[in-house]
Amino acid sequence: GAVVSQHPSRVICKSGTSVKIECRSLDFQATTMFWYRQFPKKSLMLMATSNEGSKATYEQGVEKDKFLINHASLTLSTLTVTSAHPEDSSFYICSAAYGTGAQETQYFGPGTRLLVL
Amino acid sequence: AQKITQTQPGMFVQEKEAVTLDCTYDTSDPSYGLFWYKQPSSGEMIFLIYQGSYDQQNATEGRYSLNFQKARKSANLVISASQLGDSAMYFCAMRGTAYSGAGSYQLTFGKGTKLSVIP
Repeated sequence: GAVVSQHPSRVICKSGTSVKIECRSLDFQATTMFWYRQFPKKSLMLMATSNEGSKATYEQGVEKDKFLINHASLTLSTLTVTSAHPEDSSFYICSAAYGTGAQETQYFGPGTRLLVL
Repeated sequence: AQKITQTQPGMFVQEKEAVTLDCTYDTSDPSYGLFWYKQPSSGEMIFLIYQGSYDQQNATEGRYSLNFQKARKSANLVISASQLGDSAMYFCAMRGTAYSGAGSYQLTFGKGTKLSVIP
């Protein structure tokens, strides 16, 4: 299967600082990557869709200036949480689309646990 | 709009027994895909199995099989010969035609079922 990495796996930061999370497809090129947020014991909530070479598409209610997404290459997308606050503490997980058409499957990274103090 | 319903918040199964995790869906799209993911306590989402809406046969991957009943709009996951390592959250997801650009499509997730395997 396709492998997606995510870094860092865990980060603790002070309120007001910015945090960058990287999502990489290791053995395939991903034109599209997705960023999700997951609260404890809840399902995944799609935050935004990241397309290589174009602006990300954000879901309703997600602040684009707060969560900056850059898809600089076919193997790397980054999510930057700007001026993080305690309410941004969460589990963030990315996925990359692998395959085409009906066979397209999202493969997920291992996730990043963010704790803002 | 697409919707995935997983009615079992938690399930218990004896080791080596089979277990069925329920998933029903609602969509008006004629073409769609159904997925099951496993999320252990570590947090990673592991892809298990995929079923296309036009697939004639039920999907199987090792100990995992998908009981696809299109008329009932259900896509239940069957895990045979449960192992302790199967204890995890299981999410059913559907891919429809919510276009995300560059040919990729969004997934809609259910709320998940927590499976606990008892030794």
